[in-house]
Amino acid sequence: EVQLLESGGGLVQPGGSLRLSCVASEFTFSRYEMNWVRQAPGKGLEWVSYISSSGTTIYYADSVQGRFTISRDNARNSLYLQINSLRAEDTAVYYCARVFRGYSGYADYWGQGTLVTVSS
Amino acid sequence: EVVLTQSPATLSLSPGERATLSCRASQSVSNYLAWYQQKPGQAPRLLIYDASNRATGIPARFSGSGSGTDFTLTISSLEPEDFAVYYCQQRSNWPPITFGQGTRLEIK
Repeated sequence: EVQLLESGGGLVQPGGSLRLSCVASEFTFSRYEMNWVRQAPGKGLEWVSYISSSGTTIYYADSVQGRFTISRDNARNSLYLQINSLRAEDTAVYYCARVFRGYSGYADYWGQGTLVTVSS
Repeated sequence: EVVLTQSPATLSLSPGERATLSCRASQSVSNYLAWYQQKPGQAPRLLIYDASNRATGIPARFSGSGSGTDFTLTISSLEPEDFAVYYCQQRSNWPPITFGQGTRLEIK
């Protein structure tokens, strides 16, 4: 069974930084595009960032451009999200999601999420 | 950016009834639309992709239709486990990938 396990969330002050990680297992990670998607408490889903299987193509939502950095290490089956200059509105559960192969944009497997809380 | 508008915001039905959920796009997305189900405390689950294709393991009572700007998710006969929040998502004009605001399907 495909597994995605996020970690790295926590309570951070405004302006602070965190590095989120997502470890993948039971599939060939290096062949898959990946997304980060977030969900503020009681709110809907918001796409955050995308990275191609090789890591050469990267996209960000306007709301995080310049503050967040997505990366991956295919040797370690890991996806990362470096989040800087955190704001209260970044408070959310952050999910890593595997892109449905051949249908770029859709996500067929999701992790259980890691909660980031930005508060003083 | 493509804006997806879902209706109704909340749908109250009983088990065994038919559910019809709507998603309207601000511009044509062809058939590049997916539906997800999310239960409390869980991650979303892909139900339908490219408007009408069921994802692996999704029961036949779930069906999707539509193209262009108007899409529908139909659950033919509601089971107790179907009460959840449903989101549509487009991949036609991205980035950004965009989601609808969700429809909450609750037990009447």
